[in-house]
Amino acid sequence: DGGITQSPKYLFRKEGQNVTLSCEQNLNHDAMYWYRQDPGQGLRLIYYSQIVNDFQKGDIAEGYSVSREKKESFPLTVTSAQKNPTAFYLCASSIAGQGNYGYTFGSGTRLTVV
Amino acid sequence: DAKTTQPPSMDCAEGRAANLPCNHSTISGNEYVYWYRQIHSQGPQYIIHGLKNNETNEMASLIITEDRKSSTLILPHATLRDTAVYYCIVRVAIHTGANSKLTFGKGITLSVRP
Repeated sequence: DGGITQSPKYLFRKEGQNVTLSCEQNLNHDAMYWYRQDPGQGLRLIYYSQIVNDFQKGDIAEGYSVSREKKESFPLTVTSAQKNPTAFYLCASSIAGQGNYGYTFGSGTRLTVV
Repeated sequence: DAKTTQPPSMDCAEGRAANLPCNHSTISGNEYVYWYRQIHSQGPQYIIHGLKNNETNEMASLIITEDRKSSTLILPHATLRDTAVYYCIVRVAIHTGANSKLTFGKGITLSVRP
């Protein structure tokens, strides 16, 4: 079955460590997105990518980095520069240029920094 | 993208219709209305979208007013599993670059009671 997979579901890290969240899709979607969600809040866009080897900052990119070396993969690194990294992280994908197909979301990674 | 306004919460009885309102008074002629829902600790799920005509699928119906300044998502027979946060979003259908991103507000929390 086609879908988008985020791993791991739960992640614990010590403060000051970088951590990379995985996002893989087999939907042949061109566009991929990373969102952050804090308790009781909506989703805020971190980074997005329309094609391989290209990505743009979203609304809250500071302290995060991404890469898009393959169409299927869009990993997110939470760096030590991110002041409040504990959050629920969601990855999504879509067909670029055609909004009517909507977004497909992964099941999320809950990151806790202690 | 036009902004949307949704009440923070509502509830309905199981088996009854749930009518979720959304205001989008600044919507442009080429912007569609999308609805997503997010069950606790999961990724958002696409429900339905429309431009100006009413739409229906296996999950819900979308009623858009003639002036397109507001819409209502209808879950005809709500179940306990429909308890979730519902997001109303407007966006152009054909998009590139920065227009490709979906902007999520806080949504409306629907609680279905037994």
